[in-house]
Amino acid sequence: SQTIHQWPATLVQPVGSPLSLECTVEGTSNPNLYWYRQAAGRGLQLLFYSVGIGQISSEVPQNLSASRPQDRQFILSSKKLLLSDSGFYLCAWSPSLTGYTDTQYFGPGTRLTVL
Amino acid sequence: GQQVMQIPQYQHVQEGEDFTTYCNSSTTLSNIQWYKQRPGGHPVFLIQLVKSGEVKKQKRLTFQFGEAKKNSSLHITATQTTDVGTYFCAGTGTYKYIFGTGTRLKVLA
Repeated sequence: SQTIHQWPATLVQPVGSPLSLECTVEGTSNPNLYWYRQAAGRGLQLLFYSVGIGQISSEVPQNLSASRPQDRQFILSSKKLLLSDSGFYLCAWSPSLTGYTDTQYFGPGTRLTVL
Repeated sequence: GQQVMQIPQYQHVQEGEDFTTYCNSSTTLSNIQWYKQRPGGHPVFLIQLVKSGEVKKQKRLTFQFGEAKKNSSLHITATQTTDVGTYFCAGTGTYKYIFGTGTRLKVLA
């Protein structure tokens, strides 16, 4: 069966520090991968998605970047965190079918607090 | 850009009462999905609707997709405390999902 891992679970970082969040998927190959951010009590904002190794689509201009160095690994990074980067970061995967969407499976998330 | 709004934003109900959340898109959707997020947890897929006018049921939950494929609803009959959480709809297109703003449900015992 497929599983999705995210770490760390919680993170407290000072403003201006770098960030690296990692997401890995097991039990499937060539998944579509997604990064979302959820502010406290708010909805899900799609940040990046990837349909293959090295292929990244950015949805919202910001100081974050994403990379997919391996088929089942998705990394969210920042060189300098802002206070507004605080939130709940969720990684998700979906089967790669014909390009149309399918069920999304979410990881447990990382709660980031920038002080 | 495409927007998906949900109403109400919050809903408090007594246990045993019914609950409905509505999802409206600014554009026609290919299909629509519903997710539930428990407090402190991550979203979990509930169902996907594809056809215009489609109705699906999961025990006490009834999902509808509008005829014009621009709106959807989730109705819960006789709510239970286990129904607490935030319910999101998500409009889908090629590779991407546009999530609604969510409806947070609180059930009072």
